[in-house]
Amino acid sequence: GQQVMQIPQYQHVQEGEDFTTYCNSSTTLSNIQWYKQRPGGHPVFLIQLVKSGEVKKQKRLTFQFGEAKKNSSLHITATQTTDVGTYFCAGRNYGGSQGNLIFGKGTKLSVKP
Amino acid sequence: KAGVTQTPRYLIKTRGQQVTLSCSPISGHRSVSWYQQTPGQGLQFLFEYFSETQRNKGNFPGRFSGRQFSNSRSEMNVSTLELGDSALYLCASSYQTGTGELFFGEGSRLTVL
Repeated sequence: GQQVMQIPQYQHVQEGEDFTTYCNSSTTLSNIQWYKQRPGGHPVFLIQLVKSGEVKKQKRLTFQFGEAKKNSSLHITATQTTDVGTYFCAGRNYGGSQGNLIFGKGTKLSVKP
Repeated sequence: KAGVTQTPRYLIKTRGQQVTLSCSPISGHRSVSWYQQTPGQGLQFLFEYFSETQRNKGNFPGRFSGRQFSNSRSEMNVSTLELGDSALYLCASSYQTGTGELFFGEGSRLTVL
């Protein structure tokens, strides 16, 4: 079945350093979503990418969808302590229901002040 | 606009018991999905309901079941609990199925002793 792999599993950075998490799917995706889960919290939607090669920015966060629509990345510039949490990508197959939204296992980011 | 409400937030059960978890989606949302979150496995899809019909089911044993009512509220049930069922159970709602972002509840943390 479809798999969504996410690396790294953990990332420890000094405040002010950049951070990137990568997501790879075994199949072509119709779209990909990113979520952030703060410690003790629930996943919160960040963004959805639909088009091949799409790049979207949210302040210090840059999201990219690969040309083949099989990979994606999230880059955070100059991390802050408020960026702490686990970042999940979730890839969706073409057609079907929410069951086709497959989550990666997440990248847990810790930021040292 | 009220968010997704899950009850109970915490519960402790013993092996062999059963448990019912409840989820009230955001008003107007007709799709409700359930996920199991554990440290080792990340977010795993359990099932999705849309307009009272199960649209998709993940790879979980038959001990896991669910339903959706006419007001879109959903329940999931786990029978004959096992130690490995200890997890955070997250409910997510969306307006449609197969598209758009998921809005997650705070989750129900189940501990099986």
